[in-house]
Amino acid sequence: GEDVEQSLFLSVREGDSSVINCTYTDSSSTYLYWYKQEPGAGLQLLTYIFSNMDMKQDQRLTVLLNKKDKHLSLRIADTQTGDSAIYFCAESATSGTYKYIFGTGTRLKVLA
Amino acid sequence: DAGVTQSPTHLIKTRGQQVTLRCSPKSGHDTVSWYQQALGQGPQFIFQYYEEEERQRGNFPDRFSGHQFPNYSSELNVNALLLGDSALYLCASSLGGGLAGLGKYFGPGTRLTVT
Repeated sequence: GEDVEQSLFLSVREGDSSVINCTYTDSSSTYLYWYKQEPGAGLQLLTYIFSNMDMKQDQRLTVLLNKKDKHLSLRIADTQTGDSAIYFCAESATSGTYKYIFGTGTRLKVLA
Repeated sequence: DAGVTQSPTHLIKTRGQQVTLRCSPKSGHDTVSWYQQALGQGPQFIFQYYEEEERQRGNFPDRFSGHQFPNYSSELNVNALLLGDSALYLCASSLGGGLAGLGKYFGPGTRLTVT
């Protein structure tokens, strides 16, 4: 089946690291994405990882993938108030489907 | 470099009416997907258009239809609107028919309210 789950809320202090977690069920998923949505806005593609990778780092963002457990995480280093938003993980397969399956989103609140 | 644009920004319609939403993809992209995002939920896939044809459809009724034009822009049409159709409608563009790994770029969305 297709299902992506995320915790609903996360609150961190400015300057701390944030870790947002996601689990997925589709074993055919080969690309996993992280999107950011600010209030009243569309989705901004932050980063993505291919399923044969364990980790990907892009400036303050680190993505970790545990394919055995179907667990994906996004770590934001030195979290800033501008990082406050909803973060969605999404999965897609390499063939047979063109759609992304999104989680319900994690609302990150950064406290000054 | 223009990103994905959508119009209108907001729309209020009455039950039973019909609505048309429009999307222009990011420059250089040839594939358009539409998603519905209900309040507090993640986006749900409606369908994707590539080479002016619907390539794949999500679990949405036939009241939802679309079109892609030769310039790659797209329209989403919803007939016989229901209260449950109230949502943010997102357009996403990508390149190469949606090849995985290339990433979809989303527009700001159209907020549809059905009363």
